[in-house]
Amino acid sequence: QSALTQPASVSGSPGQSITISCTGTSSDVGGYNYVSWYQQHPGKAPKLMIYDVSNRPSGVSNRFSGSKSGNTASLTISGLQAEDEADYYCSSYTSSSTLESVFGTGTKVTVL
Amino acid sequence: EVQLVQSGAEVKKPGESLKISCKGSGYSFTSYWIGWVRQMPGKGLEWMGIIYPGDSDTRYSPSFQGQVTISADKSISTAYLQWSSLKASDTAMYYCARPPYPTKDIVVVVALDYWGQGTLVTVSS
Repeated sequence: QSALTQPASVSGSPGQSITISCTGTSSDVGGYNYVSWYQQHPGKAPKLMIYDVSNRPSGVSNRFSGSKSGNTASLTISGLQAEDEADYYCSSYTSSSTLESVFGTGTKVTVL
Repeated sequence: EVQLVQSGAEVKKPGESLKISCKGSGYSFTSYWIGWVRQMPGKGLEWMGIIYPGDSDTRYSPSFQGQVTISADKSISTAYLQWSSLKASDTAMYYCARPPYPTKDIVVVVALDYWGQGTLVTVSS
């Protein structure tokens, strides 16, 4: 099972909106509404930001939103802030592995 | 309060064995999957495998099948990740993590909302 494809880096200025893509196949992202997004700051454990494509866990800012179209899921961060600078990973259910879950390659978000 | 507390950092030599742990507290340990995730230095997250402590159902990522063993001891609410013969390429941070719902349905492991603090394993001669 190959990792889901994400851009290596995305950048934006404070206050702007950015979108991170996560591309898979019909066996994972495109076939199921089980896509999650994680934020990871250096030296820290990942933090769940979005689950089931577009749901935010309690306590996560509404500046973070998720969506999906076909085989590509997206995470949008609006009103970009300095503390949003981190690595972001998507994850999806997959029917192509006994583990049934796969991570994306990861995206480094830089706040200019 | 839900907590996953992992064992401390390890420094080992190639060929040595190792078992690291992840102790859950604040919830029904047997009702939630627990997964292990590897992060090599400067690299991304990789699924290694998961276990359902209630019945010890264990699944491995193809990349890690046969390379590691995942187990759990319900009596002390602890999950384990072990190697029989470490390699330098096993040098990484290892995280345990838990999904938000107490169900055997494996789709829930896509969303991991509680994570351990990580265990750094360094393998060097």
